[in-house]
Amino acid sequence: AQSVTQLDSHVSVSEGTPVLLRCNYSSSYSPSLFWYVQHPNKGLQLLLKYTSAATLVKGINGFEAEFKKSETSFHLTKPSAHMSDAAEYFCVVSEAQGYNKLIFGAGTRLAVHP
Amino acid sequence: ETGVTQSPTHLIKTRGQQVTLRCSSQSGHNTVSWYQQALGQGPQFIFQYYREEENGRGNFPPRFSGLQFPNYSSELNVNALELDDSALYLCASSIGQGALGGYTFGSGTRLTVV
Repeated sequence: AQSVTQLDSHVSVSEGTPVLLRCNYSSSYSPSLFWYVQHPNKGLQLLLKYTSAATLVKGINGFEAEFKKSETSFHLTKPSAHMSDAAEYFCVVSEAQGYNKLIFGAGTRLAVHP
Repeated sequence: ETGVTQSPTHLIKTRGQQVTLRCSSQSGHNTVSWYQQALGQGPQFIFQYYREEENGRGNFPPRFSGLQFPNYSSELNVNALELDDSALYLCASSIGQGALGGYTFGSGTRLTVV
């Protein structure tokens, strides 16, 4: 069975400083991995996805993530945080069983301070 | 192009009652999935519908049921509501059964059971 562990429940950064949100996954085969963001009272928005192409994945709003098979990690980074980045972030693995279901991590709440 | 719309946005029900939540898929999407997001947790997969049939189910009891209509809109029905059913219910649509293109999520229905 596949699973996702987000290593930090809360991350706090100052505006303009780098962001690092950590995610480890468990999968018996090559996974599809995603990062979604959820702003208060909003639905989930896809930030980026990894589907066995390039290991460094670029997403929207300046975010990127690197797939490291040897470390079973898929950490999300951004060089410079903006106040609008404050939200809940979910690392997600897709499990294919004839249908696809998304397995979510518990989430990381990102706070950005001026 | 419209996104995924869910109704109602908020709902309060009494324990033991039944509830129906509705979802309109994004134009061109023929697969719909439902997720339950309890407070402070990541979304959990309930089930997926493809071509009007349930083709995948998570660890939810039979009192959680659904429908998908020919226009690909969908309903989630929950019978005999329990207090623990209080959560944000998210609908997600996609093209085909695969998640490689990512899912489009609605903003959710917040259900409170008292």
